[in-house]
Amino acid sequence: DAKTTQPPSMDCAEGRAANLPCNHSTISGNEYVYWYRQIHSQGPQYIIHGLKNNETNEMASLIITEDRKSSTLILPHATLRDTAVYYCIVRRSGNMLTFGGGTRLMVKP
Amino acid sequence: GAGVSQTPSNKVTEKGKYVELRCDPISGHTALYWYRQSLGQGPEFLIYFQGTGAADDSGLPNDRFFAVRPEGSVSTLKIQRTERGDSAVYLCASSLTAEMNTEAFFGQGTRLTVV
Repeated sequence: DAKTTQPPSMDCAEGRAANLPCNHSTISGNEYVYWYRQIHSQGPQYIIHGLKNNETNEMASLIITEDRKSSTLILPHATLRDTAVYYCIVRRSGNMLTFGGGTRLMVKP
Repeated sequence: GAGVSQTPSNKVTEKGKYVELRCDPISGHTALYWYRQSLGQGPEFLIYFQGTGAADDSGLPNDRFFAVRPEGSVSTLKIQRTERGDSAVYLCASSLTAEMNTEAFFGQGTRLTVV
């Protein structure tokens, strides 16, 4: 299974862009990169996913390197409500999502 | 309902008792997943259904854990002879199809406490 590596924690100032990195150097050609976040005491919330191309939706942008060995989730204007644990996941061929430790993002005023 | 619904939201049971946890997926979603999350950890995969059948149950920790989805919609996770180590938040997710490019949506979880 393709494993992911994320920094355990990050801080971001409110209103600034939050850039969350993820390494997935063993990703296979047909595996997708997914991002979820989990706010305290809630279920994980889907953010975005991609295969090769960069993706953008109303929540965030996903930048995947050309070799697909790493990606960055961008929250363009972080708010206090974006404080959460962010999980980068490579969806394996067995079709389930395998969560790692994630990055605890703290957005500060 | 609009999202994945899990009941009960909290369950306290005594060691050795049997418990059932229910998951109502988003209507029309064919794939359903169960996860378990211990404090401070990421969710851990338990079992995945495609329709009525368990496509992968490799994450179930032992034979005290069992899950069913008899009509391809609602699923029940069953835990026999509960142990204190079973205490965790049990999460359910569903997705429209089993394709890898289809996002899964999670419920709020059932917090199980075994005393």
